[in-house]
Amino acid sequence: GESVGLHLPTLSVQEGDNSIINCAYSNSASDYFIWYKQESGKGPQFIIDIRSNMDKRQGQRVTVLLNKTVKHLSLQIAATQPGDSAVYFCAENKRNQGGKLIFGQGTELSVKP
Amino acid sequence: DVKVTQSSRYLVKRTGEKVFLECVQDMDHENMFWYRQDPGLGLRLIYFSYDVKMKEKGDIPEGYSVSREKKERFSLILESASTNQTSMYLCASSSPRDREGDEQYFGPGTRLTVT
Repeated sequence: GESVGLHLPTLSVQEGDNSIINCAYSNSASDYFIWYKQESGKGPQFIIDIRSNMDKRQGQRVTVLLNKTVKHLSLQIAATQPGDSAVYFCAENKRNQGGKLIFGQGTELSVKP
Repeated sequence: DVKVTQSSRYLVKRTGEKVFLECVQDMDHENMFWYRQDPGLGLRLIYFSYDVKMKEKGDIPEGYSVSREKKERFSLILESASTNQTSMYLCASSSPRDREGDEQYFGPGTRLTVT
C-alpha cells in the first residue's frame, strides 16, 4: 500500500547549522507534496510545497528537493534557529481525491544553542 | 489570515459519554477534515467533508460520526467514548479556489482524555 514516511524520528542540530529532514514516499503516482511544521501545543503549519514537475523549490531559509527516481523528498533549513525546533511532517496530497493528505510520522528537530 | 478554531483545547470525558468536538473556520472553505494524532502513528484521517451536508469516511471512521450543517462548522461526534479514543484531535480546512488548492489550514487541536 502507499505510505509516506520519514527516515529519522529525531534530529538534533547546532544553532546556525543547516538541517536536512528526509521523507520517502511509495506512491509513484503522487504529484504534490507538502511540508508542515508543528510546534508544541499547536496545529501543523504549512511551510512549503512542491509539485512533481519540479525538482527544487525555495522559500525563506527553506528548500524542498524532490527526487522522483528514488521517491525521496527532503526539507533543508538554512541557518537553523531555536524557533525552528518542532516536529516536521511531509504529506502527500491526493489531488484527485479532494485534497486528502497522507502524512508521514514526523521528525522532531531539536536545535541546540 | 485563515483561522481555524476548535471549541476546546483540553477535554476529559468518561467512558460511554457522548462527546462533541466543534471546529469553525472563517475563510469560506469548502473542504473540512478531522484527524487524530497519536505518538508513532502520525496524523490519521477520520472524516472529511467537501460541502455542507456532505461527508466522507477517512481511514479510521469507526466509533466516530460527523455533522456539517453549516459551511463554516464541522463537528466530530464520539457516540460512546472509549479509552482508545484518547488522543489529540485536529481539524483542518481547505478550498479548491485557493492558489494550489490543496493546502490545509489546521486548528490548534483538542487533547481529549477518556477515563
